[in-house]
Amino acid sequence: QVQLQQWGAGLLKPWETLSLTCAVYGGSFSGYYWSWIRQPPEKGLEWIGEINDSGGTKYNPSLKSRVTISVDTSKNQFSLKLSSVTAADTAVYYCARGPRRYDSSNYYGAFDIWGQGTMVTVSS
Amino acid sequence: DIVMTQTPLSSPVTLGQPASISCRSSQSLVHSDGNTYLSWLQQRPGQPPRLLIYKISNRFSGVPDRFSGSGAGTDFTLKISRVEPEDVGVYYCTQATQFPWTFGQGTKVEIK
Repeated sequence: QVQLQQWGAGLLKPWETLSLTCAVYGGSFSGYYWSWIRQPPEKGLEWIGEINDSGGTKYNPSLKSRVTISVDTSKNQFSLKLSSVTAADTAVYYCARGPRRYDSSNYYGAFDIWGQGTMVTVSS
Repeated sequence: DIVMTQTPLSSPVTLGQPASISCRSSQSLVHSDGNTYLSWLQQRPGQPPRLLIYKISNRFSGVPDRFSGSGAGTDFTLKISRVEPEDVGVYYCTQATQFPWTFGQGTKVEIK
């Protein structure tokens, strides 16, 4: 059973860089795209970006200038960096599998596995 | 960006009664490959989201059959045939047809 475990700093000052990592356990890392999604307090979900096992990335244009997603296939991990954070970046950050995958015969087009979430607070 | 609009935003329901949530997209969600990548997520209080339905009407592994999805093009519906206590939470529609992937604003299902 595939599980995602994520970690990273939970309290940042304005203009610092947010850094989170997500590890994939119990299943294949290759063949999938892996996403970061965030949820501000009492608000909805926002897709941040995705990466595949070859390091190919796509970012939400609303955050693109500040986001970097990277992958370490030797550890089955992928990471998020968000620079120059402000209070508006305060949110629970989730890692998730999908929505894309290479296997067209079993293609959900959905975020099917989620990490537990990491609350990140930006405050001076 | 494709805007996903859900109605209602809040749905008080009596236990054992049905519930229905609508989701409308600002553009057709039919992909060039012919599939429609509209899915539904459930988020229970204090939990991460969980996939319920993918490609409009396919239940994900382990999802009870009281959950069903329907629709086409730009209009979609999630139905719960008989609401159970564990169904309390927020439900989101999401599209993975066109970048950037987007979500509806969420519909809160609560017990009357």
